[in-house]
Amino acid sequence: RKEVEQDPGPFNVPEGATVAFNCTYSNSASQSFFWYRQDCRKEPKLLMSVYSSGNEDGRFTAQLNRASQYISLLIRDSKLSDSATYLCVVNWGNFNKFYFGSGTKLNVKP
Amino acid sequence: EPEVTQTPSHQVTQMGQEVILRCVPISNHLYFYWYRQILGQKVEFLVSFYNNEISEKSEIFDDQFSVERPDGSNFTLKIRSTKLEDSAMYFCASGRQAMGTEAFFGQGTRLTVV
Repeated sequence: RKEVEQDPGPFNVPEGATVAFNCTYSNSASQSFFWYRQDCRKEPKLLMSVYSSGNEDGRFTAQLNRASQYISLLIRDSKLSDSATYLCVVNWGNFNKFYFGSGTKLNVKP
Repeated sequence: EPEVTQTPSHQVTQMGQEVILRCVPISNHLYFYWYRQILGQKVEFLVSFYNNEISEKSEIFDDQFSVERPDGSNFTLKIRSTKLEDSAMYFCASGRQAMGTEAFFGQGTRLTVV
């Protein structure tokens, strides 16, 4: 079983749409959770950390469900600039050995 | 805004040659990492480094690989004898703490082994 699993997509949505991505992780001892975005051939950039109580940053909302071992990302009012690959990242252990999902590709169309 | 910087942005090398990839982490960060991403695949952990020593490494990080922090600012990844399958994007990252905090990535070095 992969450590972190994501639906690869692509998700093709019109501008203004709401879109949600899920991610599951295998290690119940996982400690920290993040969403990064990656543009084509660029570095991963931190989008947001995911906290147990759930958290929101503008149009982005992240949720964590430890019992079911999944995290989610909701994007409201999608913009063309949201087009990217969204990486689910989970860490366990002592030294931030991040486990990356393969990413979910989002295409926002005019 | 402070950022992780990597040089060169693109390196082409012949199989069997040694390469050194360079990184300048964010200045007040204490934890340093190398990750790689083969084209079309996911980002993979190579090694973490703290207090001037390797704290963890993956099975990818074999004897061909080494890391060094030669001075107070640089962090390097050396591949002694490159193979075709080493062709990938190599990302350096740094973080303030180990537990629970995010890491910030450099823009990457694209290594092409021919």
